[in-house]
Amino acid sequence: KNQVEQSPQSLIILEGKNCTLQCNYTVSPFSNLRWYKQDTGRGPVSLTIMTFSENTKSNGRYTATLDADTKQSSLHITASQLSDSASYICVVTGGGSYIPTFGRGTSLIVHP
Amino acid sequence: DTGVSQDPRHKITKRGQNVTFRCDPISEHNRLYWYRQTLGQGPEFLTYFQNEAQLEKSRLLSDRFSAERPKGSFSTLEIQRTEQGDSAMYLCASSLGGARYNEQFFGPGTRLTVL
Repeated sequence: KNQVEQSPQSLIILEGKNCTLQCNYTVSPFSNLRWYKQDTGRGPVSLTIMTFSENTKSNGRYTATLDADTKQSSLHITASQLSDSASYICVVTGGGSYIPTFGRGTSLIVHP
Repeated sequence: DTGVSQDPRHKITKRGQNVTFRCDPISEHNRLYWYRQTLGQGPEFLTYFQNEAQLEKSRLLSDRFSAERPKGSFSTLEIQRTEQGDSAMYLCASSLGGARYNEQFFGPGTRLTVL
């Protein structure tokens, strides 16, 4: 069964600090992995997208890494801001389907 | 605004009533998806259209749920005889064809509350 597991479930950090969110998946064969940011009460917004040949991709203060061998990804947020408070969802497409598999998300709270 | 739009944004209804939600995808996107999301969970796939054809339905989509995309543009999701367990955020997403990236763009969602 295709699964995407994220950790930690929730995280509280101080403004300006860095943090790293983890994603492990079992989707096979792998097509692509995306990280989405979802503000409370809003739809998810794409941050990064990576295929199996890409092992890192940046979008401003967000840097995603991918290890297709171990089926792990991480999202690193640098110099966090209050506006980074949101849920971060890891999404993997593959397994011969157009339908992606979503993780439950990591809830990040950035305190001043 | 050329993004995905959903209407209404919020809906409160009494148990047993029918509700219908609308999604307008990005105009050149031929794929449209419906998801349901409850608090603290990731979106759960409900159904998927390529143009006007409904190609896949989740087991979550009970007989009380029906979705249409009659002209391959906007889509509607109807829930009949609503139950309290139907309370959730209903998200619509659209994407271009092509399996390699298949990036989905999400709408703001419709939050349903069943009393």
